[in-house]
Amino acid sequence: AQKVTQAQTEISVVEKEDVTLDCVYETRDTTYYLFWYKQPPSGELVFLIRRNSFDEQNEISGRYSWNFQKSTSSFNFTITASQVVDSAVYFCARSVVDDMRFGAGTRLTVKP
Amino acid sequence: GAGVSQSPSNKVTEKGKDVELRCDPISGHTALYWYRQSLGQGLEFLIYFQGNSAPDKSGLPSDRFSAERTGGSVSTLTIQRTQQEDSAVYLCASSLGGHSNQPQHFGDGTRLSIL
Repeated sequence: AQKVTQAQTEISVVEKEDVTLDCVYETRDTTYYLFWYKQPPSGELVFLIRRNSFDEQNEISGRYSWNFQKSTSSFNFTITASQVVDSAVYFCARSVVDDMRFGAGTRLTVKP
Repeated sequence: GAGVSQSPSNKVTEKGKDVELRCDPISGHTALYWYRQSLGQGLEFLIYFQGNSAPDKSGLPSDRFSAERTGGSVSTLTIQRTQQEDSAVYLCASSLGGHSNQPQHFGDGTRLSIL
């Protein structure tokens, strides 16, 4: 199976620290999409970002930024100046045609 | 509401009983997905519907699991003769079309506990 690997199971930081969540994916396809989702303690998954395989431009949205590197099959997510409200489980996903696969998730705890 | 609706939100049942979980997707979303999330684990893909047909059933863990979708809308996931390892949160998601570039919108899930 073409996996999505999030090697960091749990990360704990103190508020205002920067934190990077790693995501490495496998695919034999040239066209695919990458996603990040956030699952706060309330439980509902929330879509954060989508990138297609042809667009390696990094993206910044407020305190969030994403680094897509095709050469290393990675799509890492950085939160700058973390806040307690960022505490959640974050999932990376890869989609090819109708096949969406999620990583195991990284649990981020931001302490005040 | 405008989001994906799942019912019941919680279900506790005895081992061996059948359970039926319901998902009402966002109106107009033709693709519907079922996932299972065990405690502290990631998302396990179960089945995907495009309209009423299920092109990918590869994730169903055993023949005790089945799902259907009618009218291109509501879907039900049925687990027969439940076992304790079936305990998990079952998540439903929908998206516009079955195209890989569409983000999935998730419901709150059904927390299933098998005693």
